[in-house]
Amino acid sequence: DAKTTQPPSMDCAEGRAANLPCNHSTISGNEYVYWYRQIHSQGPQYIIHGLKNNETNEMASLIITEDRKSSTLILPHATLRDTAVYYCIVLGGGSNYKLTFGKGTLLTVNP
Amino acid sequence: DAGITQSPRHKVTETGTPVTLRCHQTENHRYMYWYRQDPGHGLRLIHYSYGVKDTDKGEVSDGYSVSRSKTEDFLLTLESATSSQTSVYFCAISAGTNEQFFGPGTRLTVL
Repeated sequence: DAKTTQPPSMDCAEGRAANLPCNHSTISGNEYVYWYRQIHSQGPQYIIHGLKNNETNEMASLIITEDRKSSTLILPHATLRDTAVYYCIVLGGGSNYKLTFGKGTLLTVNP
Repeated sequence: DAGITQSPRHKVTETGTPVTLRCHQTENHRYMYWYRQDPGHGLRLIHYSYGVKDTDKGEVSDGYSVSRSKTEDFLLTLESATSSQTSVYFCAISAGTNEQFFGPGTRLTVL
């Protein structure tokens, strides 16, 4: 599975968009980009995933660059409850669905 | 929220004693996982199951065993607990995709 690089921490003002970057320059053609988050003391929560097209759901949008070497998770209107560690994970087929969590990005949403 | 519970939620035990943690799901999902989370390490996969009586090791399986005799239950056993196994343990389930649903966690302290 491809390795990912994320900034260790970011800040965002409440109500503004939070843009969380992830680099995955060694991603291969059949690997997806997944995003999870973990709010303090809770289990991780799935957010969104994509292959090469941009994706949007009720929680967030995922923008993947054309060369697929990086992506950005966008929380359009961050709230205090979005303060969490956000994990970018790259996975392909044949992984037996085993997730590997790195250190992620601690997003702090400030009032 | 996915129907997944863990028991106990908190446990304090002594070195050398056996400990069993239980994960119970009501979703009838095929895959179940046990992770541990420690400061500075993120989440690490201990064992996983891809069906009743079908299990395999993760990246940190030494000192742990698992059993799955029913679809809904996945047990994690520490045969002889050590202080290095003090951690927060998360169970997760999936239907055969990389979208995993996590339980609330069990905080285990080994004195």
